Amino acid sequence: NAGVMQNPRHLVRRRGQEARLRCSPMKGHSHVYWYRQLPEEGLKFMVYLQKENIIDESGMPKERFSAEFPKEGPSILRIQQVVRGDSAAYFCASSPDRDGQPQHFGDGTRLSIL
Amino acid sequence: QKEVEQNSGPLSVPEGAIASLNCTYSDRVSQSFFWYRQYSGKSPELIMSIYSNGDKEDGRFTAQLNKASQYVSLLIRDSQPSDSATYLCAVKGGGSEKLVFGKGMKLTVNP
Repeated sequence: NAGVMQNPRHLVRRRGQEARLRCSPMKGHSHVYWYRQLPEEGLKFMVYLQKENIIDESGMPKERFSAEFPKEGPSILRIQQVVRGDSAAYFCASSPDRDGQPQHFGDGTRLSIL
Repeated sequence: QKEVEQNSGPLSVPEGAIASLNCTYSDRVSQSFFWYRQYSGKSPELIMSIYSNGDKEDGRFTAQLNKASQYVSLLIRDSQPSDSATYLCAVKGGGSEKLVFGKGMKLTVNP
């Protein structure tokens, strides 16, 4: 499967726990984006990363959320001390290193907070 | 604050009809425009991209872009029940790589 790979597909956490969401981009893609989709709402941009660099984090909440894309391995979106309002679908997308190219989405991680 | 607006829905059309979905955007320097289809509980799937004024056709889908009016649309000809989904308009540009999405239009094609 050469598509964007996200895991886990479903994640359940209790309030106060940490959530780690992983994303491996499509083969040949070096740009990774994270989006959040709250129930009955549109997709909202969170962060844009290239290898070892955060390029744009203008959509990230100021606290508890962080993202990385290390030289080796998948991109990680980390949510510390989760709260009920963090329940959402988190989608990762990737694109090649050329301006204007479309972003292709993974299947997402559905995060549920108990 | 960049905004993307889609017509309030939902939209219901009979099988075989033309479905027309519209989108306006606020940022005049936007350069890239995309339509994604999202089935319930699934991820967005890219169906069309358009970068210059005019029409772009791909099978039963036609995207239309008018930068002067800041308007982009998607036409689906010979609509099929399998086209029933939420269609998301997304815009990129102005020096930013992030996609700004509209809230989506839910389309139902009735057999």
